[in-house]
Amino acid sequence: QLQLQESGSGLVKPSQTLSLTCAVSGGSISSGGYSWSWIRQPPGKGLEWIGYIYHSGSTDYNPSLKSRVTISEDRSKNQFSLKLSSVTAADTAVYYCARAEMDLGSPSVFDYWGQGTLVTVSS
Amino acid sequence: QLVLTQSPSASASLGASVKLTCTLSSGHSTYTIAWHQQQPEKGPRYLMKVNRDGSHNKGDGIPDRFSGSSSGAERYLTISSLQSEDEADYYCQTWGYDIRVVFGGGTKLTVL
Repeated sequence: QLQLQESGSGLVKPSQTLSLTCAVSGGSISSGGYSWSWIRQPPGKGLEWIGYIYHSGSTDYNPSLKSRVTISEDRSKNQFSLKLSSVTAADTAVYYCARAEMDLGSPSVFDYWGQGTLVTVSS
Repeated sequence: QLVLTQSPSASASLGASVKLTCTLSSGHSTYTIAWHQQQPEKGPRYLMKVNRDGSHNKGDGIPDRFSGSSSGAERYLTISSLQSEDEADYYCQTWGYDIRVVFGGGTKLTVL
């Protein structure tokens, strides 16, 4: 059974960089056909897709966040990471990692999700 | 720009059925969507994919009480024999070239 587990800093100061890691078990991030995404949910609000990395190492990001986001992978540790720079209070959210098949050049169905981790941006 | 529209809330009685709707914006009526359930204080769980013709493919372990269907630009999630644990937020989601990934605003389901 595939499992994803987010970890990282729960409190980040404004203007600093948010860093999170998603550890994957029960499957390999290097296996073809699947992309690995980050999705966030501000308190009391809906879901927002941040971006993904594909097994080839290619990435794509939500245009609204693209200038501040970097997603990378560490195949030796079977994990992938998110960095979001210049954070503000608006970036306070629960951050989820998830797996999806690729379809039409995009992650399609998110069939496995992590449990999420709350990141608060505050001084 | 593709937008997915969901009613903010819905309610139904224990043991009854409820049909949740996700509406694709004009010009995007052929898109496949996915439904996700988010129980209180938990991460989302994938329920199923619903195609334009109403066919659907459920995720692992999703009970038969959950089904999907389509009509035009609307995609539906029907939950029958409602149980207390079905009280949750339900999100629809789609994807494609240029639009990348889009989520609906979610429907909060209350089981009375």
